[in-house]
Parts: sequence; C-alpha cells; structure tokens
Amino acid sequence: DGGITQSPKYLFRKEGQNVTLSCEQNLNHDAMYWYRQDPGQGLRLIYYSQIVNDFQKGDIAEGYSVSREKKESFPLTVTSAQKNPTAFYLCASTSLGASYNEQFFGPGTRLTVL
Amino acid sequence: GENVEQHPSTLSVQEGDSAVIKCTYSDSASNYFPWYKQELGKRPQLIIDIRSNVGEKKDQRIAVTLNKTAKHFSLHITETQPEDSAVYFCAASIQRDDKIIFGKGTRLHILP
Repeated sequence: DGGITQSPKYLFRKEGQNVTLSCEQNLNHDAMYWYRQDPGQGLRLIYYSQIVNDFQKGDIAEGYSVSREKKESFPLTVTSAQKNPTAFYLCASTSLGASYNEQFFGPGTRLTVL
Repeated sequence: GENVEQHPSTLSVQEGDSAVIKCTYSDSASNYFPWYKQELGKRPQLIIDIRSNVGEKKDQRIAVTLNKTAKHFSLHITETQPEDSAVYFCAASIQRDDKIIFGKGTRLHILP
C-alpha cells in the first residue's frame, strides 16, 4: 500500500477544536485532492490542488482549510466552523501529465467528534 | 458543472449471477469514465475505465459500456463471486481536467 499515505487512521476531536489530517504521496503527482465520505453520499470534493502554493475549493469547502507548501504534502485542517465533521476523509492524487487522470487514494482517516 | 447519477444505490444478486450498475452524466464534454471499487473500511481502487472513443471495454468478468449519445455508461459483472461484495463508484471527467465527479455509489451484495 505505498504511494499515498494518510495519518492518523482514526482521529477523535472534541467540539470546538481544530484538527489536521495528513496526506503524503511519493508518486510525484501534480494534483492532490481531499474528499469526504458519508454513508450514501458518495465522495464529495472538499479541496484540490494542481500545483504547489495553489488550491481550489471543491463542493463542500466550508469549515475546512488546506495548504500545499510541498508537492508531496496536502494537509487538511478541519476547523471548529465545520458543523458536522464526523466522517471518513480520503486523500487522492493524480498526475496531470498522464493521458488519463486515474486518481490514487490513500487509506483514509476516520474522524469522530466527541 | 458535471453531475453524475448512479443507480441502484443497493443491489443484491445471487452468487454466479450477473450484476449491472448504471450511471448517467450531464456534461457532453466528459470523455473519461472510471469505475472504482471500495471494500469495507478500505480505499477506493480503480477496477476499469473507458474513454469516449470506445463503446465497450472488457477485463475478465468485468465490462463497461458507454453510450455517448444518451450520456450513460454501465458496469457489468458476470459470474459474481463473494469477493465482489463492495461499494462501486462510477465517475466522469474531461480528460486532463483538474477533477472528476463521482456518483453516490452502489452497494453490491453477493448472496450465497
């Protein structure tokens, strides 16, 4: 399961706290993505980044923030402004130079708000 | 923007029978259609994909068909086995675009 990693696997947060989820890839991929997965909701895009120091909002960016200081890393911060943060979070990456844009996923982080 | 609808949300089939999952998309510019399989508690993994210049693609027991005129594509699994039980996601994107849009998923149960 190398290539793209996420940590921690499980995360518990008290209400009002910010938490940061880690995502690292050694695939030399240009683009990285954060998705949120809830039962019956599929994969919803939170933020994505195509290049270092640049990122765009996805469909459900409110209450989240990201940074892309290095090509390999794309951490996601879940802020206290996110009203219902309990979910499974998936990070993905892809090479924009490829002829098709298969996305490779990390193993996910399950966040629970206590 | 692109919208992908996926049906059914849940599907149960007897082991050995075939399973079909259908998706529709809204953006006629979409030209890349991957399918992902996600086993319980694990990451989604690509199982097959198709590009718009192809009408059908097959890989062992899995096949995908694409109808660009109607803007729908389907996943076919033949001779289903217990290990096929998982959630399957269809997706659509414009090749080399910055993002892909996923359907909401189909939970496939293979009954003994």
